[in-house]
Amino acid sequence: GAVVSQHPSWVICKSGTSVKIECRSLDFQATTMFWYRQFPKQSLMLMATSNEGSKATYEQGVEKDKFLINHASLTLSTLTVTSAHPEDSSFYICSAPIAGGTDTQYFGPGTRLTVL
Amino acid sequence: GQNIDQPTEMTATEGAIVQINCTYQTSGFNGLFWYQQHAGEAPTFLSYNVLDGLEEKGRFSSFLSRSKGYSYLLLKELQMKDSASYLCAVRDLGRLYFGRGTQLTVWP
Repeated sequence: GAVVSQHPSWVICKSGTSVKIECRSLDFQATTMFWYRQFPKQSLMLMATSNEGSKATYEQGVEKDKFLINHASLTLSTLTVTSAHPEDSSFYICSAPIAGGTDTQYFGPGTRLTVL
Repeated sequence: GQNIDQPTEMTATEGAIVQINCTYQTSGFNGLFWYQQHAGEAPTFLSYNVLDGLEEKGRFSSFLSRSKGYSYLLLKELQMKDSASYLCAVRDLGRLYFGRGTQLTVWP
């Protein structure tokens, strides 16, 4: 089955630092990937759509200069949380759809970010 | 805007049947998905509906009525391992918009 990986699984950082999270599609190519954020006991909130070879599309209210997205290849998208603050602590999950059929999105295992 | 509503919590006993409802009001619609999510893990795909009617997949079934903006997920022969959060998601222009999730607890 489709596999999407994320790295790291968890990260703890100091306030003001930047953190990069990688999302890879392991056995298929993904021209589009999606980034979500999930706070405890809340649902997934779509942050942005990552497009290979072009700029990401951000959802309303998401700061593009704070959450930098780069879709460098057909199997890799990265999310960089710049100048992280404690309120950025959350569970970040990426997903990628498999083209054709239902275009079902498959999710990565998530990255738990804690900003001290 | 996107508005997707589902109950916050449900409980049921092992072996029982439970139905989790989802209502939605979205600017566009291109399919409805149900995902299962255990705490601290990523969601896993359960079912997909794009046309009205019932889709059955083993112990899980999902129903859609587009005119009513309504779907449900039916879980039969509940097992302890079914305790999880169940997320209803509507796809619009390729993007998924999720409800808050329904936390299901299965008791022995």
